[in-house]
Amino acid sequence: DTGVSQNPRHKITKRGQNVTFRCDPISEHNRLYWYRQTLGQGPEFLTYFQNEAQLEKSRLLSDRFSAERPKGSFSTLEIQRTEQGDSAMYLCASSLTVAGANQPQHFGDGTRLSIL
Amino acid sequence: AQKVTQAQTEISVVEKEDVTLDCVYETRDTTYYLFWYKQPPSGELVFLIRRNSFDEQNEISGRYSWNFQKSTSSFNFTITASQVVDSAVYFCAITGANNLFFGTGTRLTVIP
Repeated sequence: DTGVSQNPRHKITKRGQNVTFRCDPISEHNRLYWYRQTLGQGPEFLTYFQNEAQLEKSRLLSDRFSAERPKGSFSTLEIQRTEQGDSAMYLCASSLTVAGANQPQHFGDGTRLSIL
Repeated sequence: AQKVTQAQTEISVVEKEDVTLDCVYETRDTTYYLFWYKQPPSGELVFLIRRNSFDEQNEISGRYSWNFQKSTSSFNFTITASQVVDSAVYFCAITGANNLFFGTGTRLTVIP
């Protein structure tokens, strides 16, 4: 049984560059979530997908951020024109949601982004 | 909106001591779920427990136990006979419409 997989684990880039992260959820899970976690804080919700549909975006998700889940399996999160404030751990989670019941979300190891 | 408060930022205990991590939540929903997650130094959030708002029974799982009290909006977590491997940041969370709201976490250090 494989858990949620994220890559890369670490990404260091210069300010202004674009970055893309990938998340592979647990295979039978229909929901996929992206969170951002800064130092000393709990994860903050960014967006989620049910299958391939992006159903909710938080106000934290500026227009420089875009997420996709084209076939309802893996997802990518792209940040364009990165800024210092984007430095954080980006966490992906997945869950199996049936009839609206909130099953536990299972998290990946995260991608740590550092902006130079 | 949902809110979770974990007032204890850091706790240190000596191995084999018991320790309780506090969690107080706010919500206007009548139905909600509460969670505890563990985040070891490796960074992965590990699911520990989910509790439905209608189920106030306390739960015990090995050295872990949870005390849910709706009257005080609290969902506290106790580790009995702590071990060094319990050292981690522990997060309490509550469901929103389609996501989780997390507290700021409590860093537990168990000293050998």
